[in-house]
Amino acid sequence: DTGVSQNPRHKITKRGQNVTFRCDPISEHNRLYWYRQTLGQGPEFLTYFQNEAQLEKSRLLSDRFSAERPKGSFSTLEIQRTEQGDSAMYLCASSLVSGNTIYFGEGSWLTVV
Amino acid sequence: QQQVKQSPQSLIVQKGGISIINCAYENTAFDYFPWYQQFPGKGPALLIAIRPDVSEKKEGRFTISFNKSAKQFSLHIMDSQPGDSATYFCAATTHNNNDMRFGAGTRLTVKP
Repeated sequence: DTGVSQNPRHKITKRGQNVTFRCDPISEHNRLYWYRQTLGQGPEFLTYFQNEAQLEKSRLLSDRFSAERPKGSFSTLEIQRTEQGDSAMYLCASSLVSGNTIYFGEGSWLTVV
Repeated sequence: QQQVKQSPQSLIVQKGGISIINCAYENTAFDYFPWYQQFPGKGPALLIAIRPDVSEKKEGRFTISFNKSAKQFSLHIMDSQPGDSATYFCAATTHNNNDMRFGAGTRLTVKP
């Protein structure tokens, strides 16, 4: 068990560019979550998958945000036409379907300049 | 809308002292209440969690106290150590686990 893996860990991009983050969950975990965390705040739920199905996406911040989990394993979070307000840490987490324990990765920091 | 309110925002305690962080929730459908510890530049790590069918859970120096009628729960860190200095988040979710709500965090500093 290597834990939840995220990359890149840090990304600096110019405003208007697209960015993509990847998450590899704990191998036996069916559920995968994306959260956003800004400085001084707790994580904010964005979306989650159960296997390859995206079961909740209404909390994605805008239509510039999209996530995929095509084969029910790794997931990607894409932000199109980045804005300075998108600067934050994007956290991926995973869990089993049964039970509530959610394990977080170390996050991907995004800085939009 | 903030469904989980956490206090204090920051806390300074002496080594060996007791750290107490409080949280209150609004949604009575919540039935799982974890606490996460986060060090700078790292993701949150699960510390301890409780369900509302018990009023207290203890793991080592960490204890959660839960008051269902008041919709409040708290984290107590006994014999606080400098290595406990971190940001602590309370959270709450339903059994569906599909939208965990976090408090705003408490930055704990334990002075040697």
